Amino acid sequence: RKEVEQDPGPFNVPEGATVAFNCTYSNSASQSFFWYRQDCRKEPKLLMSVYSSGNEDGRFTAQLNRASQYISLLIRDSKLSDSATYLCVGGGSGAGSYQLTFGKGTKLSVIP
Amino acid sequence: ETGVTQTPRHLVMGMTNKKSLKCEQHLGHNAMYWYKQSAKKPLELMFVYSLEERVENNSVPSRFSPECPNSSHLFLHLHTLQPEDSALYLCASSQAGTGVYEQYFGPGTRLTVT
Repeated sequence: RKEVEQDPGPFNVPEGATVAFNCTYSNSASQSFFWYRQDCRKEPKLLMSVYSSGNEDGRFTAQLNRASQYISLLIRDSKLSDSATYLCVGGGSGAGSYQLTFGKGTKLSVIP
Repeated sequence: ETGVTQTPRHLVMGMTNKKSLKCEQHLGHNAMYWYKQSAKKPLELMFVYSLEERVENNSVPSRFSPECPNSSHLFLHLHTLQPEDSALYLCASSQAGTGVYEQYFGPGTRLTVT
């Protein structure tokens, strides 16, 4: 079974803190990975793609470790507006290339 | 943001009703998806259309029937649903090709089956 596993949290952190989320994936054939963010009762929104070399977008850094099959997301200088659920997502290859497998999400609450 | 729109946003229906959910994308994509999101569960892929052909059907009961008349529109026809079908139904779109592309979601239809 192809799964993406995440710590559900919640992670409660003060403003300005650095927080890291990890997730693991079981499908070694997965080629593409993403982080989405989902606010309460809203749709998931793409936060960033995850590349093998790692990538950074402002306060957000994503890393991929293919050998260990895990993906991470680091958020620096947390803002109140970062409070949301963060979804780790993996995409297959070949015949399953359309399918994105979503984790259940990790809930983050940034506290004043 | 109006890249992917869905109507209605909320729907309450009885088990004997027939209704349809509509999705429209304005991003020039050629693949569209239906997902179901229930409480405490990850998003479940239901159907995938690429270039207006269904390429994925993840063992979804026949009481859910998708339709993709063109690359910009996607429908989900509902009939004789069960209370456990109550969930958030999300439409998404992406480019289609040999790789895996980011998917962009609509706001969803929150469905309650009574």
